[in-house]
Amino acid sequence: DQQVKQNSPSLSVQEGRISILNCDYTNSMFDYFLWYKKYPAEGPTFLISISSIKDKNEDGRFTVFLNKSAKHLSLHIVPSQPGDSAVYFCAASGKGQGAQKLVFGQGTRLTINP
Amino acid sequence: DVKVTQSSRYLVKRTGEKVFLECVQDMDHENMFWYRQDPGLGLRLIYFSYDVKMKEKGDIPEGYSVSREKKERFSLILESASTNQTSMYLCASSLRQPREQFFGPGTRLTVL
Repeated sequence: DQQVKQNSPSLSVQEGRISILNCDYTNSMFDYFLWYKKYPAEGPTFLISISSIKDKNEDGRFTVFLNKSAKHLSLHIVPSQPGDSAVYFCAASGKGQGAQKLVFGQGTRLTINP
Repeated sequence: DVKVTQSSRYLVKRTGEKVFLECVQDMDHENMFWYRQDPGLGLRLIYFSYDVKMKEKGDIPEGYSVSREKKERFSLILESASTNQTSMYLCASSLRQPREQFFGPGTRLTVL
């Protein structure tokens, strides 16, 4: 039972354009969402997060949007740069006892083409 | 800067061997986690610990055990390695709040 889904295994975007990565979740108890970036042979690094009380959070070139009614979040990268080529994971955590754990999606491999 | 280190970057073991993977964090985080990453499956939680000597099963604990004797150190043990445990193993740590987890560089384990 995949509670967090990233339905696009890969995405290719031209340098300078917008990259949009999508993530869907099924558990309505999730109240905090995160995006991680992972280069080969390295651990994931935290990018940006959003609480369920917000619908948007921005940090430089990265913006995360949350649509609670659709149980959908997206990560926008503008403008895309070659160094953004990596695997991106979305993750979610819930309230109460589950709050300390993260549930990850399968990942989307983003390739930025020059 | 949070530092999470893992004892080995690459490890090759034989079927049936006992394998120890060690993780150390230097930021006094309460929580520590072990994941495995496999293509198309994302990161799956094996075990986590929210305090010394405390542990909880994650989504795929079968074939694994853990030990947390000191706050900064969390060990993953494969009692009898099998080929289906060939994977990338990632350790992470976090405070209780906020919930961002910080990851180590990973250990690529191959079981022959």
